[in-house]
Amino acid sequence: TQLLEQSPQFLSIQEGENLTVYCNSSSVFSSLQWYRQEPGEGPVLLVTVVTGGEVKKLKRLTFQFGDARKDSSLHITAAQPGDTGLYLCARRGQGNLIFGKGTKLSVKP
Amino acid sequence: KAGVTQTPRYLIKTRGQQVTLSCSPISGHRSVSWYQQTPGQGLQFLFEYFSETQRNKGNFPGRFSGRQFSNSRSEMNVSTLELGDSALYLCASSVGAAGDYYEQYFGPGTRLTVT
Repeated sequence: TQLLEQSPQFLSIQEGENLTVYCNSSSVFSSLQWYRQEPGEGPVLLVTVVTGGEVKKLKRLTFQFGDARKDSSLHITAAQPGDTGLYLCARRGQGNLIFGKGTKLSVKP
Repeated sequence: KAGVTQTPRYLIKTRGQQVTLSCSPISGHRSVSWYQQTPGQGLQFLFEYFSETQRNKGNFPGRFSGRQFSNSRSEMNVSTLELGDSALYLCASSVGAAGDYYEQYFGPGTRLTVT
């Protein structure tokens, strides 16, 4: 099965620290999306990566798609309490999105 | 532009009862997808409706059903509730069919607790 494995499952850091979370699969996928879900809300799309080796930046967030298109990473520089949330990666299935179980990030002031 | 709205936001039901959840998509969006989110299983796809027709269905029992109205609003129904149905139910809308790679926008979800 083309599961998405996310690591770490939980991450608690202090404000100002850097962090990286990962999304891995044993299968190649054509594109990958990253979402952030805050407590009490639905997931919000952050970025879609399509090309192997692609790097996209969104302010302090850097997203990378692996060369073989089997993995992706999200790096946050100088994390802030507002970055707290559940970070989910997702790939396209047959007319639906298939999600990893997410990394729950807590950034303490 | 108003986002995806879901009602009710919170619901408590008893085992064996049935429940209906509602989703109003973004104006102009014709596709509505439903997902179940639990701590153990994460987000899992239930079904997608596009132009009042179910296009895709996930691996859930027949107790889970849905429909879409001509104004694109969608409802999902769960009959004979079980404790394991306790979850956050999310709907997502998109302009076109989800399988055609249109971006999906999620609502805030309905938190269902079954006691």
